[in-house]
Amino acid sequence: GAGVSQSPSNKVTEKGKDVELRCDPISGHTALYWYRQSLGQGLEFLIYFQGNSAPDKSGLPSDRFSAERTGGSVSTLTIQRTQQEDSAVYLCASSWTGSGVNSPLHFGNGTRLTVT
Amino acid sequence: DAKTTQPNSMESNEEEPVHLPCNHSTISGTDYIHWYRQLPSQGPEYVIHGLTSNVNNRMASLAIAEDRKSSTLILHRATLRDAAVYYCILSTQGGSEKLVFGKGTKLTVNP
Repeated sequence: GAGVSQSPSNKVTEKGKDVELRCDPISGHTALYWYRQSLGQGLEFLIYFQGNSAPDKSGLPSDRFSAERTGGSVSTLTIQRTQQEDSAVYLCASSWTGSGVNSPLHFGNGTRLTVT
Repeated sequence: DAKTTQPNSMESNEEEPVHLPCNHSTISGTDYIHWYRQLPSQGPEYVIHGLTSNVNNRMASLAIAEDRKSSTLILHRATLRDAAVYYCILSTQGGSEKLVFGKGTKLTVNP
C-alpha cells in the first residue's frame, strides 16, 4: 500500500517568506510526528499528534513554527518568516499508535527546505 | 526522556557480521528498545524492537543484556546496502509516546 507521502520534496524560499509543508500519513494511522534533520545531524523532534489528544508541541523551536492535523489525517507544518537556520530536511512519520511499541513509525522521504 | 549512547561511526566488510552497540543505562522496566536505520537521502526505516528477550527478524537480530542496560543490533552478513545511520531509541508503552532520536551510528560497509 501507499506509504507516508510528503510534499513538496524540495522547497527553496527566500528569507522572510512563509512556507507550508504537507504530510499525508498512512491511512488509519492515528499518530503523526514531525521531525527536522539538519545536514549531518540526527533527527530533532518537533511535534506529535495522537488521535484527538492535544498535540505535543514541546519540540517546536520557536513560535514561527506551527502544525495542524485536519480530520485526523493530513498534516501541515507551517514556518513563518523563514530564516536561514530553518534550512533542513523536514520528516514526517505515522504509526498505528503513539508510542511506537508494536507499531513502528513509517517515515516519508522528507521535504528538503532551503532558505536563501 | 531516557537516553541512549552509540558510537558515532563503525566500519565493516561486506559479507561479515556487524555488531552495533547501544548503551541505555537509565532504561526503565517499561521501556522498549527500538532500532531504526536511515539510508542516504531517505527517511528512517524500522529495523527491530524488543523488551527483554532477544529478537530476530528478516533484517537483523537484537541482543539485549540481562540487566537491559545495553543492547546490540546484529547484522549477520553485511551488504553494501546496509550502509546507513543506525539509531537506537527507547519508548515507553503508555508513556510520553514521542520517540526521541539521537545522532546514531554511521555504518560504512567496505566491499
